[in-house]
Amino acid sequence: GAVVSQHPSRVICKSGTSVKIECRSLDFQATTMFWYRQFPKQSLMLMATSNEGSKATYEQGVEKDKFLINHASLTLSTLTVTSAHPEDSSFYICSARVPRGVINEQFFGPGTRLTVL
Amino acid sequence: QKEVEQNSGPLSVPEGAIASLNCTYSDRVSQSFFWYRQYSGKSPELIMSIYSNGDKEDGRFTAQLNKASQYVSLLIRDSQPSDSATYLCAVLTGGGNKLTFGTGTQLKVEL
Repeated sequence: GAVVSQHPSRVICKSGTSVKIECRSLDFQATTMFWYRQFPKQSLMLMATSNEGSKATYEQGVEKDKFLINHASLTLSTLTVTSAHPEDSSFYICSARVPRGVINEQFFGPGTRLTVL
Repeated sequence: QKEVEQNSGPLSVPEGAIASLNCTYSDRVSQSFFWYRQYSGKSPELIMSIYSNGDKEDGRFTAQLNKASQYVSLLIRDSQPSDSATYLCAVLTGGGNKLTFGTGTQLKVEL
């Protein structure tokens, strides 16, 4: 499968600080990347779709001013959690799609565990 | 009705048995279906993708799709303790733009 990396893997920060998470496609170019959030014992929830060279598309209920997404190149998307609070503590996972013939397969990065104190 | 439904489990099977995981979806126009495995504390890993009715086999894994019944399943043959994980069913919905996940089925393979 295609390789997607994320950095950092784990972040602990104080309430009110901003945290940037990087997502990279290592062996393919991704015009579109996706950001998910997963709370303990819950399923993945799509936060936003990141489009290279244009604005991200946010899902209903996700604050675009709090979760800033930048897709600066075909291999890099970043998610910045601004003024993080304890309720933002979660597992953040990015992914990207790779065309495989008639089907587009979606591969996930290893995730970033954010803990806000 | 949830878009993608799975039994949360846990589903317990003995080592060497066949594990059968099921998923139903509500969007009739869905075209692509996926099974992911997620170990505790890790991100999802793609196991199988399927888009045609019928069976698709890859090693010990077989995905089965029935679009008329809006049903997709995953069979794991010769289950191993290392198969113990949560299995997520995902469906490409919204005109093919959005991957929607079920809540996952926890599988436990017992020695």
